[in-house]
Amino acid sequence: EVQLVESGGGLVQPGGSLRLSCAASGFSFSDYPMHWVRQAPGEGLVWVSRINHDATYTTYADSVKGRFTVSRDNAKNTVHLQLNSLRVEDTAVYYCVRDSRKNGVDYWGQGTLVTVSS
Amino acid sequence: QSALTQPRSVSGSPGQSVTISCTGASSDVGGYNFVSWFQQHPGKAPKLMIYGVSKRPSGVPDRFSGSKSGNTASLTISGLQAEDEADYYCCSYAGNSTPFVFGTGTKVTVL
Repeated sequence: EVQLVESGGGLVQPGGSLRLSCAASGFSFSDYPMHWVRQAPGEGLVWVSRINHDATYTTYADSVKGRFTVSRDNAKNTVHLQLNSLRVEDTAVYYCVRDSRKNGVDYWGQGTLVTVSS
Repeated sequence: QSALTQPRSVSGSPGQSVTISCTGASSDVGGYNFVSWFQQHPGKAPKLMIYGVSKRPSGVPDRFSGSKSGNTASLTISGLQAEDEADYYCCSYAGNSTPFVFGTGTKVTVL
């Protein structure tokens, strides 16, 4: 069974940093690109970042480019999202999502809440 | 990349059918046959219901069906059931630099 478990969310002041982690199990992690998608309270889903299977290629939404960094450790079946220079508008539940390898995404973690507030 | 446009809400009685539209552009919905639909219950993670415009993952009831015409994709729920009450989001592949764009979301209410 595919499982994705996020951690690392919390309350942080504007300008602060957080590191989110996602532990994957139930599939061959190193074969799959991974994504982060976020959802602000009461709002819709927004794609944030993608990392390919061997971490040689990453891409970001314009709204987080230069502030967020995605990485992965295939030996530990984990993917991370480093969030720097956080803004109030970054407040959201952040989901770790598996790429389906069919130009879509399929499995989602339960999400971790990041709250940026003074 | 702008969000895909969905109606804010749709509703129907048990047993009826409802259809949710998802309108994009030639750079996303219209340019690729890679539209997915996700169901999200309150406080839960999204669940994949349709991929590749009209394919159903294992375990998804055949009451759920997808289609596409031009820049607009659609999700139809036939034989509406109480447990179908949820938010639904479409998602389209949009190219390498911004691989996915999501819809604005539609709340389905079972009357």
